[in-house]
Order: sequence, then C-alpha cells, then structure tokens
Amino acid sequence: ETGVTQSPTHLIKTRGQQVTLRCSSQSGHNTVSWYQQALGQGPQFIFQYYREEENGRGNFPPRFSGLQFPNYSSELNVNALELDDSALYLCASSLKATQETQYFGPGTRLLVL
Amino acid sequence: GQQVMQIPQYQHVQEGEDFTTYCNSSTTLSNIQWYKQRPGGHPVFLIQLVKSGEVKKQKRLTFQFGEAKKNSSLHITATQTTDVGTYFCANAGGTSYGKLTFGQGTILTVHP
Repeated sequence: ETGVTQSPTHLIKTRGQQVTLRCSSQSGHNTVSWYQQALGQGPQFIFQYYREEENGRGNFPPRFSGLQFPNYSSELNVNALELDDSALYLCASSLKATQETQYFGPGTRLLVL
Repeated sequence: GQQVMQIPQYQHVQEGEDFTTYCNSSTTLSNIQWYKQRPGGHPVFLIQLVKSGEVKKQKRLTFQFGEAKKNSSLHITATQTTDVGTYFCANAGGTSYGKLTFGQGTILTVHP
C-alpha cells in the first residue's frame, strides 16, 4: 500500500449538487495531484497542489477547485455536478512537486444521477 | 506531459502465453512510466524508464524504452491469472510540475 488515503470510498450525488473529496498524502510528501478516471479511460490530470498553492492545472472547468492544508492533506471540490462527472477520482502524492513518481490512493467512486 | 498512444486496447490470452503492450508518441519523451490497475482498483506504479534504449526487468515483466525515446513496451512472459488488469503507460514531462499524461491502457484478461 502507498500510504495515501482517500474518503469517502463511494458517493452518490444528483445533478447540480456539490461534492468534497478528501485525500491524505503519504508521510513526508508535500505535493498532491488529483486525477479523474472515467470508465474505460486512463486518468486525466485535474490539478496539483504544492505547499498549499495550486501548482498546475489540466483542462477542467473552474467548478473543479481544490485546497491543500498545512499538513499537506487535500480536498477536491466540484460544484454544479454534471452527469459526466461520474468517475473514479484519484489522489496521488509525491515527495516534491517536480518528482515524477507519484503514489496513488484507492480513489473515490462518484456517481452523479 | 506529451500525449501517448497505447495499443492494443484489449488482449485476451491463455494462461502461460506471453503478452505485450506498446506505447507510442509522435514526440520525444523525457521518460515513460508504467502502471497496473487491477479491476476495481487504482493505478499502481511499476517502473520508470528515462534512458534511450533502456531495458528493465521485474521477474516476468520486461520494460523497454526505444532508442529514439518515442516508444516503449511492456512484455509479460508466461502470463498468470494474477496478471489480469489494465496496464497504462504514462509520461511525466512538458511542464514544470509532475503532471502525468496517461495512455488509454491495455486491458489484459488471462484465461486459466
């Protein structure tokens, strides 16, 4: 196991609602990246947080936002949920922002009805 | 990271047969990583290749990075049912931060 934890494991929401997903990084890792994995696809980069600041962002709209806390844990917030937001949301931590080896958590499976 | 294309999309093999998945890019890659995702699981890091022509082995798994650093392969010798899952290649590059760009993955099923 990587030591990266995520909560909740599963979640069901309805269209238009808001959701918050949580991630605790591996001990000593100060960087957290979030990915969205739709069914049958590879993970897509959402954004990365390093030292409590957004350090890079993929092609996702502003209704996807995040936070990183002083203990390096992180939250992913999604507003105005759409049906296409149904996916596995993965958090990955790394020792530093530029390190290429990332350690993935078990993910949160979100279903939007 | 730079875009990577992965083939085949699916591979069905009998236990004991070999398996290979390929990853290709139109541009030179700074590195390539391989991940395995079991059904219902999350991606697990297998290996990273960074040098031109690099070959690395992990038991029955052999990873290669092409001489031009535009392609890579993962070969499994004598597959076992425990090899079932989706194998992804990914590139971390093109940005100042460690964004991973994943291929579409190859789904491997192994029939006992």
